[in-house]
Amino acid sequence: QKEVEQDPGPLSVPEGAIVSLNCTYSNSAFQYFMWYRQYSRKGPELLMYTYSSGNKEDGRFTAQVDKSSKYISLFIRDSQPSDSATYLCAMRSIIQGAQKLVFGQGTRLTINP
Amino acid sequence: DGGITQSPKYLFRKEGQNVTLSCEQNLNHDAMYWYRQDPGQGLRLIYYSQIVNDFQKGDIAEGYSVSREKKESFPLTVTSAQKNPTAFYLCASSIALRGQYGYTFGSGTRLTVV
Repeated sequence: QKEVEQDPGPLSVPEGAIVSLNCTYSNSAFQYFMWYRQYSRKGPELLMYTYSSGNKEDGRFTAQVDKSSKYISLFIRDSQPSDSATYLCAMRSIIQGAQKLVFGQGTRLTINP
Repeated sequence: DGGITQSPKYLFRKEGQNVTLSCEQNLNHDAMYWYRQDPGQGLRLIYYSQIVNDFQKGDIAEGYSVSREKKESFPLTVTSAQKNPTAFYLCASSIALRGQYGYTFGSGTRLTVV
């Protein structure tokens, strides 16, 4: 079983829709939870991060963490064609003093005009 | 502007050849990482380094080697022992424990075996 599971999609929605992206994980040691956005042929860029359970909002994006269920979500409101990208969840733990991120497989999202 | 520079952007390797991918950062980050990205498999950790002259194997280190002689530089060599090297390679860096959480990534190198 992978430490982090993410539905690879692809996911295609019309412009203006609310998008929900999700990941589940198995390692209780994960403390920080992140979402990265990756455009085609580019490196991932950090979109949002949260610590422990709860919600965090940044503009049209909301990140949600439920540690009791080992489940994290990213919501995109009023989705735009420019949001079309692959979204990767990532989870951070400290192992022998080193920060390590474990990534999900990534969900490929297309917003249709 | 601070960032991570990976070169070349595209690289072609013949069977049996070793190739080296460059990664340079001017963010003054302590830690650097190499990931491999394949379609449908996400990012898999190859090697990472927390300080100069020290590095550790990640989950898929076989067929790869690294060095960390300078804080700014973390080159990756893909050796002939790596049987399936065609992939997108990403270098990242981070402040080891404190401050910013997460990694800053380079733009990647796409390696193709010909």
